[in-house]
Amino acid sequence: AQSVTQPDIHITVSEGASLELRCNYSYGATPYLFWYVQSPGQGLQLLLKYFSGDTLVQGIKGFEAEFKRSQSSFNLRKPSVHWSDAAEYFCAVVRGGGYNKLIFGAGTRLAVHP
Amino acid sequence: GAVVSQHPSWVICKSGTSVKIECRSLDFQATTMFWYRQFPKQSLMLMATSNEGSKATYEQGVEKDKFLINHASLTLSTLTVTSAHPEDSSFYICSARETSGYEQYFGPGTRLTVT
Repeated sequence: AQSVTQPDIHITVSEGASLELRCNYSYGATPYLFWYVQSPGQGLQLLLKYFSGDTLVQGIKGFEAEFKRSQSSFNLRKPSVHWSDAAEYFCAVVRGGGYNKLIFGAGTRLAVHP
Repeated sequence: GAVVSQHPSWVICKSGTSVKIECRSLDFQATTMFWYRQFPKQSLMLMATSNEGSKATYEQGVEKDKFLINHASLTLSTLTVTSAHPEDSSFYICSARETSGYEQYFGPGTRLTVT
């Protein structure tokens, strides 16, 4: 069965520092992968997605992610974090079997120190 | 584009009453909508998949008679929590998917508190 693992529950970085959030998936075929961000009390906003092609994908708000099939990973990166990036980040993969349901990781809560 | 709204954004109801949450796709047609539940500091748990004009499909462990879902049009799905109890208090989020494609667009969520 498909699954998504986000190993880091909570990460704290200083403003201006670089960021990498880890995501590992378990899926037999080529996965459709997503990163979403959720601010407190809000719904989810799509940061970026990977379906095929170039394994380095660019998203909104200066985020990028790299798909590495050999490592079953889709890590999210940002070269310089802003205080407004403090939020919960979710990695997700499309689940097979119809309706294209999403399976979410447990999430990583990002705190940004000034 | 691709905006999904939810109403209400928060609701407080008494135990034993029912409450309806609306999910609308504002600028696209959504054949399929999804309903999620999120507990504090936890991930989203898919409750059910709503398809326009047909019965919803529920995930294992979700009571279909308690969480009634109706998807009457291509832009509207409703979730009704019947005979609500305090343990139903949660953050409910809907998403909508365009007729073709894999991407889901999420609503802002509805916080339900049952007293």
